[in-house]
Order: sequence, then structure tokens, then C-alpha cells
Amino acid sequence: AQKITQTQPGMFVQEKEAVTLDCTYDTSDPSYGLFWYKQPSSGEMIFLIYQGSYDQQNATEGRYSLNFQKARKSANLVISASQLGDSAMYFCAMREIGTNAGKSTFGDGTTLTVKP
Amino acid sequence: DAGVIQSPRHEVTEMGQEVTLRCKPISGHNSLFWYRQTMMRGLELLIYFNNNVPIDDSGMPEDRFSAKMPNASFSTLKIQPSEPRDSAVYFCASSLAEGQGGGNEQFFGPGTRLTVL
Repeated sequence: AQKITQTQPGMFVQEKEAVTLDCTYDTSDPSYGLFWYKQPSSGEMIFLIYQGSYDQQNATEGRYSLNFQKARKSANLVISASQLGDSAMYFCAMREIGTNAGKSTFGDGTTLTVKP
Repeated sequence: DAGVIQSPRHEVTEMGQEVTLRCKPISGHNSLFWYRQTMMRGLELLIYFNNNVPIDDSGMPEDRFSAKMPNASFSTLKIQPSEPRDSAVYFCASSLAEGQGGGNEQFFGPGTRLTVL
């Protein structure tokens, strides 16, 4: 069974500084995708970044980058130059591509607070 | 594109009543997911469809829950009879199926906030 673990229930960061949100995963499927979503207080789920299990390079999307360490089964999200609008809940998720194609699992989330 | 559309946005009902939540996925997407979010249990995958066919419903909590996808542009999640512990935000999401390129990220609807009294 697939599992996503986010060990940081809450994180604080000073505005303009970088922050890393941790995510580890477990799956028996050799093919999978890893995702990060942002959920602000308004409740919508916003896709941020994607990393495929066979991708050689770490994914980047603007101020977001994914530190993918396959051997350690970790997919940490790095947010550079934090902004007040980054305050939100962040979810790490995995979607299997092989045997259970499509099945997805979300972590419990990390609440990020950006301080001015 | 209008994105994933869910209705109603808010639903308040009494215990024992039937509740039907509706979802219209993004046109061209052939995977559809139903999630439930609560403070206690986080975000749970209830069921997902590929090409209108239910693939995995192991997350459906019990027989009171059922989901259908009669065509590529519409899905329903029904709870009958509803109970107070069903109170949650229910999200519908859609994506391209695996193997169709890209990251296959899921696009979420705004959610339906269900309160069962």
C-alpha cells in the first residue's frame, strides 16, 4: 500500500527566506508521480509541482522546487523567497502509474505560516 | 475552460436524508476522483474512475456511499442515509489518465461543504 508522510504539522518562515517542507513516501510500484498542492484558507486545492519517478532532474516551477531523492524516498518541497501569500496548508501526494494506475494518496499536510 | 464544477457548494441536511453531490470534470479529462476532507482524517480518496469506469472504490467508507459516472462529463456521489459523521468537504478532481503525457496532475473543484445535523 502506498503511504505519504509529512512529519511537520506546522512550519514558520520569515518573509523572503526559503523554507523546505518534508515529504517521504512508500510504494511498491516502480512507476509513480509525486505532486505538491497548496490549500489556502479559502479551501481550494492548487497544483504546484510534479516529479515523475523516472525523471533525472529535480522539478522546478518558479519559486517552487522539488528535492527528489529516490533512494531515500523523499520529495521535499522548497519554496524560495517566501511571500505572505504562501501561508497555507501544503499537501504532498503520490499517484501510482503501474499496477494501480491512477490511485493517489495524500499526506496529512503541513501548515506554513510566513511571518512579515 | 471553466475548471472542475461541483454542486452544490454547501449542503445542510438532516440525519437520514439522501444527499447527492455532483461533479462536472474538465472536458477531455478521463480520470475522475472523489475525495473527502475532514480535520480528523485529512484528505481521503473515496473512489476514482478511468474512462467512466470505477477502478478503485476501496476508500468508500460503507454501503451508504455510492458513486456513478454515467458519461464523461458528469459524476455523482450519493450518501443514503446520511449521518452526522459524514459532515466534511467533498472534493471532485479530474485529470488526464496515466500515459497521456504531462504530470497528470489533478485539478480540483471548489468542493462541497456538507453538514449533516
